[in-house]
Amino acid sequence: DVKVTQSSRYLVKRTGEKVFLECVQDMDHENMFWYRQDPGLGLRLIYFSYDVKMKEKGDIPEGYSVSREKKERFSLILESASTNQTSMYLCASSSPGLGRTQYFGPGTRLTVL
Amino acid sequence: GENVEQHPSTLSVQEGDSAVIKCTYSDSASNYFPWYKQELGKRPQLIIDIRSNVGEKKDQRIAVTLNKTAKHFSLHITETQPEDSAVYFCAASRDSSASKIIFGSGTRLSIRP
Repeated sequence: DVKVTQSSRYLVKRTGEKVFLECVQDMDHENMFWYRQDPGLGLRLIYFSYDVKMKEKGDIPEGYSVSREKKERFSLILESASTNQTSMYLCASSSPGLGRTQYFGPGTRLTVL
Repeated sequence: GENVEQHPSTLSVQEGDSAVIKCTYSDSASNYFPWYKQELGKRPQLIIDIRSNVGEKKDQRIAVTLNKTAKHFSLHITETQPEDSAVYFCAASRDSSASKIIFGSGTRLSIRP
């Protein structure tokens, strides 16, 4: 069974704090993704990575950075959290190539006060 | 940029009736179209997908149709049941090593008893 886990289910931070969200997968997947999910906006891609130390910007990368030092681990970093980053963050992983299922983590609901 | 539009945003149907969700995509190079289902409080999961070399695919009560000329695809659920209540996301992707997927904004489907 594919397992994608995220470091926290709920997180409350203050404006200006540095926030780390971590995602770990156990299927040796090359591709990993970070999305944010907001009502009415669907799943918007923040960043993705197709190999260790590789990263690509998604549709909404502003205010975020990522780190992929190991194949199984993909971290999302909010350098200085702001209230408009309050959202549900979902991590996903997949094998490379067309038609590869994305397996999602349980999500982290981040609230920035 | 690449875009996937999904309609309707909410849909309520009587148990036993059919439900149809429609999506259009902008990138004519897209050739893979998955559908994900997200039950309340859970992670999105793939339920069915279709590739551009076929026009229709069926799996028990769910089916997807694809019209490449018009750049639209649809999800059909027949004989709806209470467990079909969820948010459904369509998506489109082109063949690339990074397998980036563009998601629609989601449809909240409610099944009335």
